[in-house]
Amino acid sequence: QVQLNQWGAGLLKPSETLSLTCAVHGGSFSGYYWTWVRQPPGKGLEYLGRINHSGDTMYSPSLRGRLTISMDMSKNQFSLRLNSVTAADTAVYFCARGHYGSGPYYTPNVGPYYYYMDVWTTGTTVTVSS
Amino acid sequence: QSVLTQPPSVSAAPGQKVTISCSGDSSNIGNNYVSWYQQLPGTAPKLLIFDNDKRPSGIPDRFSGSKSGTSATLGITGLQTGDEADYYCGTWDTSLSAGVFGTGTEVTVL
Repeated sequence: QVQLNQWGAGLLKPSETLSLTCAVHGGSFSGYYWTWVRQPPGKGLEYLGRINHSGDTMYSPSLRGRLTISMDMSKNQFSLRLNSVTAADTAVYFCARGHYGSGPYYTPNVGPYYYYMDVWTTGTTVTVSS
Repeated sequence: QSVLTQPPSVSAAPGQKVTISCSGDSSNIGNNYVSWYQQLPGTAPKLLIFDNDKRPSGIPDRFSGSKSGTSATLGITGLQTGDEADYYCGTWDTSLSAGVFGTGTEVTVL
């Protein structure tokens, strides 16, 4: 049964860099799309980005330029770095295992694609405050 | 800013049925598969439905999913107090090249 464990600093000052790491235990690292999601206090889920075992990344348009997701396959770990944080980055951050691919009669850049997350961590609360 | 729209809340008595809608457009729901997540208070999201209407093992058949055009629906029958939670739809957005979630719906059991 695959399990994810994440860690990282929970309190940051504005302009600092948020760093979180997620370790994959009991399952394969290959074949999945390792995903970061966050949830600001009292708000909904926000997709941040993902990486696969080949190191291919895709980021939310709203965070491109500030967000970097990397992975270390030898350790079955993937990481998130978010630069120049502000109070708006205060949230619970989750890492998750994602499934992504194309369905029958797929057309490139049109679809159908499937993308869902089936294993999640309990999350890390990150607070940005001066 | 979510690109998928859900009603803020729905409610029903125990044993009754609720449905939650999720509205998008052709770049997301219209051409891609939808998933649904349950988030109990203070916990991580849990996958309920994937590929529009498939349930992972361990998810009771009281939960069902469907899709039509640019909208999707989650149904919960035989409502239980343990179903009180926030529910989110999700999918891939081909224009954004990103995953997207719905605005979330709070289910209350009266």
